[in-house]
Amino acid sequence: GNSVTQMEGPVTLSEEAFLTINCTYTATGYPSLFWYVQYPGEGLQLLLKATKADDKGSNKGFEATYRKETTSFHLEKGSVQVSDSAVYFCALTNAGGTSYGKLTFGQGTILTVHP
Amino acid sequence: NAGVTQTPKFRVLKTGQSMTLLCAQDMNHEYMYWYRQDPGMGLRLIHYSVGEGTTAKGEVPDGYNVSRLKKQNFLLGLESAAPSQTSVYFCASSDPMMNTEAFFGQGTRLTVV
Repeated sequence: GNSVTQMEGPVTLSEEAFLTINCTYTATGYPSLFWYVQYPGEGLQLLLKATKADDKGSNKGFEATYRKETTSFHLEKGSVQVSDSAVYFCALTNAGGTSYGKLTFGQGTILTVHP
Repeated sequence: NAGVTQTPKFRVLKTGQSMTLLCAQDMNHEYMYWYRQDPGMGLRLIHYSVGEGTTAKGEVPDGYNVSRLKKQNFLLGLESAAPSQTSVYFCASSDPMMNTEAFFGQGTRLTVV
């Protein structure tokens, strides 16, 4: 079956530091990959996605590249802000067929950014 | 522009009590899902539905039942709550024929004492 492994947190950074959150996956076929973000007290929001190998998803200064050879989708941001403090989830779904859009999530990484 | 709405937002139950969580979406999505979020475990799929009148089991279905009588609503029921069901519950919807993104509600924090 599918599985997603994220780097363990929590991650604590100073403002303007570089961020990397590692994500690796196991899946059959060619999954679509996602990063979701959960701000305190809120639901999950899609941050970025990639649907095929070598695609780069980007949004709000965050980037992640779909690496099929290493089965990875690491999240990066060059300069974090206090407002980026949240929980970040890596997730995947198999496209089409009987997947029905069901998501498999990693365990989540708590990011805290200090001024 | 409501998206996915969950009610209630918070609830405390005693062991053995029953309750229903309601999820409503206004995006005309075919697929709807219930996940639970537990510390260190990410989100896990409880049940899902691929259209009005259909339901199917996810990864952790035991102790829960669901119904999808109308396309826009997906109900999650706990017949006899247990402390192990203390969690944050998220409803989501998607239309994978259009894109692969799922939209999530704000969550329901349930405590079973």
